[in-house]
Amino acid sequence: DGGITQSPKYLFRKEGQNVTLSCEQNLNHDAMYWYRQDPGQGLRLIYYSQIVNDFQKGDIAEGYSVSREKKESFPLTVTSAQKNPTAFYLCASSILARGSGDTQYFGPGTRLTVL
Amino acid sequence: QKEVEQNSGPLSVPEGAIASLNCTYSDRGSQSFFWYRQYSGKSPELIMSIYSNGDKEDGRFTAQLNKASQYVSLLIRDSQPSDSATYLCAVKWAGGYQKVTFGTGTKLQVIP
Repeated sequence: DGGITQSPKYLFRKEGQNVTLSCEQNLNHDAMYWYRQDPGQGLRLIYYSQIVNDFQKGDIAEGYSVSREKKESFPLTVTSAQKNPTAFYLCASSILARGSGDTQYFGPGTRLTVL
Repeated sequence: QKEVEQNSGPLSVPEGAIASLNCTYSDRGSQSFFWYRQYSGKSPELIMSIYSNGDKEDGRFTAQLNKASQYVSLLIRDSQPSDSATYLCAVKWAGGYQKVTFGTGTKLQVIP
C-alpha cells in the first residue's frame, strides 16, 4: 500500500530534551512538509523540502531542524530551543507540479507532549 | 500576509440536509484550492481540489470556486452524522514554491 507513515503516534518529551519524529512515504513524491497544529488553530508550516539534500524554513522553523537524506524520509527534530512544543505534528507529501495538481497528502500525525 | 478565512462554527445541520461551508482568501493570484476533512484527533484527509471557476462535483460533495469574489465553498448534500468533523480550506498561492495556507477550519455537526 502506498502512503505516508509517521512514528511514534504519541511522544513525551522532558524539558531540555531533543526528540525526533519520523516521516516516511512510498508515494514517490518529491516534496515533503512538516506542519504543527495547535487546538483550534490551522496548520502552520515548519519546514519543507522539494528535493533530496535541500530544505527550506517555513513560517515557524525556530526550535526545529530537519534532514532530507533520502527521497522517502523527512525526519523532524524538536530541539530544546522550542519553548512550547506540545502540539500535533503532521507530515505531508506531494508531487511537484507547475500550477495546479500538487495536492498534499498527510500522514497520521504524531502527538507530542512535554512533561 | 496571505490569509485564508473560515467561520469556526460549529455549523449544525439536521441529517439529510445540505451543509454549506465557506472560505475566503486574500490573494487574487491563488491557483489551487483544497478541502480537507479532519476528524477529532486524526490527520486531514483530502475531500476535493478545485482549480477553475465554477462547480466541481464528487458524489455528495460539490466545491464551488469564484475567483473574482475570492471565495471557495463546499456543499455537502444529504448530510450524514459521519460527516461531523472539522473542514479545512487550503489555498495554494501563485509563484514561488508550493506554499499552501490552511484556514482554521469549520466544525460541522450533523444532528441525527
